[in-house]
Amino acid sequence: QKEVEQDPGPLSVPEGAIVSLNCTYSNSAFQYFMWYRQYSRKGPELLMYTYSSGNKEDGRFTAQVDKSSKYISLFIRDSQPSDSATYLCAMSEGNTGNQFYFGTGTSLTVIP
Amino acid sequence: NAGVTQTPKFQVLKTGQSMTLQCAQDMNHEYMSWYRQDPGMGLRLIHYSVGAGITDQGEVPNGYNVSRSTTEDFPLRLLSAAPSQTSVYFCASSRGYGSDTQYFGPGTRLTVL
Repeated sequence: QKEVEQDPGPLSVPEGAIVSLNCTYSNSAFQYFMWYRQYSRKGPELLMYTYSSGNKEDGRFTAQVDKSSKYISLFIRDSQPSDSATYLCAMSEGNTGNQFYFGTGTSLTVIP
Repeated sequence: NAGVTQTPKFQVLKTGQSMTLQCAQDMNHEYMSWYRQDPGMGLRLIHYSVGAGITDQGEVPNGYNVSRSTTEDFPLRLLSAAPSQTSVYFCASSRGYGSDTQYFGPGTRLTVL
């Protein structure tokens, strides 16, 4: 079983839609949760960073962590064509010597 | 700040050839790592370093060597390239390990024939 599971999509939505992206994980020791955005043929760039459970909002983006269900989500409001990319979730235990674990990524296309 | 830079952007090798992928960062980050990204597999950690002179293996280290003589540079060496090493390689750096966000380079697309 993979440490982190992520539906690869692809996901296609009309401009202005609300997008929900999700990851599940198996390691209850994970404390740090991240979402990266990766445009085609580019490196991943950090979008959201959350510690432990709860919500975090940044503009049109909201990250949610439910540690009891081992489930994290990224919501994109008023989606734009420029949001078309692959979204990767990542997580770590956070202690010295622990590595990051990445999901396989969800491909999103926002249609104008 | 250039951030994390990688060279070359593209490379084609024949089976058995060796080469070095270069990675440099100008953010004075202690932690650097190498990942490979394959379709359906996500990002997998090859090797990482928690500071100059200190390296360790990640999830998929076989066939790769690293060294870290300076804080800025973290080259990845392919000893004898195999078609299974065809992939996109990303270098990343962060201030710390585990709880700090990572900054990724633009990637190197490697094809081994």
